[in-house]
Amino acid sequence: DTAVSQTPKYLVTQMGNDKSIKCEQNLGHDTMYWYKQDSKKFLKIMFSYNNKELIINETVPNRFSPKSPDKAHLNLHINSLELGDSAVYFCASSQRTGPGNTIYFGEGSWLTVV
Amino acid sequence: EDQVTQSPEALRLQEGESSSLNCSYTVSGLRGLFWYRQDPGKGPEFLFTLYSAGEEKEKERLKATLTKKESFLHITAPKPEDSATYLCAVISGGSNYKLTFGKGTLLTVNP
Repeated sequence: DTAVSQTPKYLVTQMGNDKSIKCEQNLGHDTMYWYKQDSKKFLKIMFSYNNKELIINETVPNRFSPKSPDKAHLNLHINSLELGDSAVYFCASSQRTGPGNTIYFGEGSWLTVV
Repeated sequence: EDQVTQSPEALRLQEGESSSLNCSYTVSGLRGLFWYRQDPGKGPEFLFTLYSAGEEKEKERLKATLTKKESFLHITAPKPEDSATYLCAVISGGSNYKLTFGKGTLLTVNP
């Protein structure tokens, strides 16, 4: 069983479209994250939620809106897609925040905006 | 702001040739230093967490060590299946538990 799963794995879409990436974790964790890996392979945090409450919003354009319907799910909705949004988006989760909590990543969603 | 610098950017080894990867960090109150392995087309896979200077952890051919300014990932007698990008990341006090990553070291082990 996949611990942190994301869909879709690949997404090609046109500029201006709105798209969503879904994430689910079956680890029973309280905290979930979205990270972005750009073309230079640099991983950076975008958002984190703890028990459905937003705790990190890292200077991300407001075209990006995370939604957490319950603590096992954290979806990422992107409005008015731009070429620069092309990247790999990773969902992750941890039991909670604080020392001793390992952050586990999903397999990634490859977004290409054309 | 937290900073993580990894070196070298790329390392090519022959099978059995041991070496080390470096991760230098600048943080305000280290709460943990993490090593991950990332294969092409995959997400980062957790390897180790180190919390305080002097700490060491081992897993198969990998050994991670930590000082107050840097961490090393030692690879002993590597095999081709150890080829991957190795990522170092830190979490600092007051960061709301976010990982700050380095750019990674791409390790290639030739048979």
